[in-house]
Amino acid sequence: AQTVTQSQPEMSVQEAETVTLSCTYDTSESDYYLFWYKQPPSRQMILVIRQEAYKQQNATENRFSVNFQKAAKSFSLKISDSQLGDAAMYFCAHSGGSNYKLTFGKGTLLTVNP
Amino acid sequence: SQTIHQWPATLVQPVGSPLSLECTVEGTSNPNLYWYRQAAGRGLQLLFYSVGIGQISSEVPQNLSASRPQDRQFILSSKKLLLSDSGFYLCAWSVHRGQGYTFGSGTRLTVV
Repeated sequence: AQTVTQSQPEMSVQEAETVTLSCTYDTSESDYYLFWYKQPPSRQMILVIRQEAYKQQNATENRFSVNFQKAAKSFSLKISDSQLGDAAMYFCAHSGGSNYKLTFGKGTLLTVNP
Repeated sequence: SQTIHQWPATLVQPVGSPLSLECTVEGTSNPNLYWYRQAAGRGLQLLFYSVGIGQISSEVPQNLSASRPQDRQFILSSKKLLLSDSGFYLCAWSVHRGQGYTFGSGTRLTVV
């Protein structure tokens, strides 16, 4: 069974600084995708970034980047130049199998301090 | 462009009453559809998913059921709500594994 673990229930960062959110996963599949979702107070789930397991290059989307370590089954999210609008719950997710099911971690609540 | 609509946004229902939450997708065909529940602001639990009309898979035995009467319509139902059914319900769709999910705006259900 696939599992996704986010070991940091809460994190905080000062505005304009950098923060890294951790995620590890367990899977028996060789072909899969990994995602980070953001859930602000509105509770709308927003896709932040995705990573294809067969690509060694780490994905980047503006201030958001990942550190994908396939052998270690680690997929951390780095937020650079943190902004107040980055404050949210962040979920790591793994997609594998033929039915496209996503398995989510329990989330990390990020607070951005002005 | 593809959009997903989920309603109602908020619902307060008495224990023992029925439930019907609806989700529709526009701009795509034959999507995979999903219902998730999020309790206490954390953790998403997959309740049901569907890969086609009339095809429903249940992930967690519970008081709820799902139906897919049309290609882009997904309904979450209950005949008699329990207090434990309270939570935030999210509908989502996907057509490709690498796409991830696109989520609806969610329904906050409070059973009183």
